[in-house]
Amino acid sequence: DVKVTQSSRYLVKRTGEKVFLECVQDMDHENMFWYRQDPGLGLRLIYFSYDVKMKEKGDIPEGYSVSREKKERFSLILESASTNQTSMYLCASSLRLWGRKVRETQYFGPGTRLLVL
Amino acid sequence: SQQGEEDPQALSIQEGENATMNCSYKTSINNLQWYRQNSGRGLVHLILIRSNEREKHSGRLRVTLDTSKKSSSLLITASRAADTASYFCATGQGAQKLVFGQGTRLTINP
Repeated sequence: DVKVTQSSRYLVKRTGEKVFLECVQDMDHENMFWYRQDPGLGLRLIYFSYDVKMKEKGDIPEGYSVSREKKERFSLILESASTNQTSMYLCASSLRLWGRKVRETQYFGPGTRLLVL
Repeated sequence: SQQGEEDPQALSIQEGENATMNCSYKTSINNLQWYRQNSGRGLVHLILIRSNEREKHSGRLRVTLDTSKKSSSLLITASRAADTASYFCATGQGAQKLVFGQGTRLTINP
């Protein structure tokens, strides 16, 4: 079974702090994703990565950065946390598609609920 | 940008009844997937239907896809209390990433 783990289930930080959210997957997946989930807005993609050291902006990258130094680990960084970044953060991974394959099933971690005061 | 839109936003039914949720999308897709999220947890993949398929079954789940109407439905038969969760559709466009809808919150009353 694919396992995606996130470093914390709950996190409380102060405005202006630098925050690191870590995600690790154990199935050698090439793709990794960071989403935030807010009531009424569903899941919104922040950043994703196709491979080590590669990253692409999602729909809401402002105020965030990411790091992927190893294939199994994808970190989300809030450079200077703000109260509007209080949210549930979900990490996911998937196999990279080649050719005509259509399976893009994503495997999710349990989520990190971040509160910024 | 969010493409999938689920309908209804919330659904409450009695245990044993069938639950139907709908999803609409806007652009061409390679596949459509349904995920479940239990309260405060990550999402779990339920079923994937390809763009050239019209119907798919998995246990008590039945998914239909109508590409001409750009819509899909998820039917859960003989619902159980454990089915209480939020359900999300997600569309795949062959670009490695998925676009998720806002979800339907399903409550099964005992």
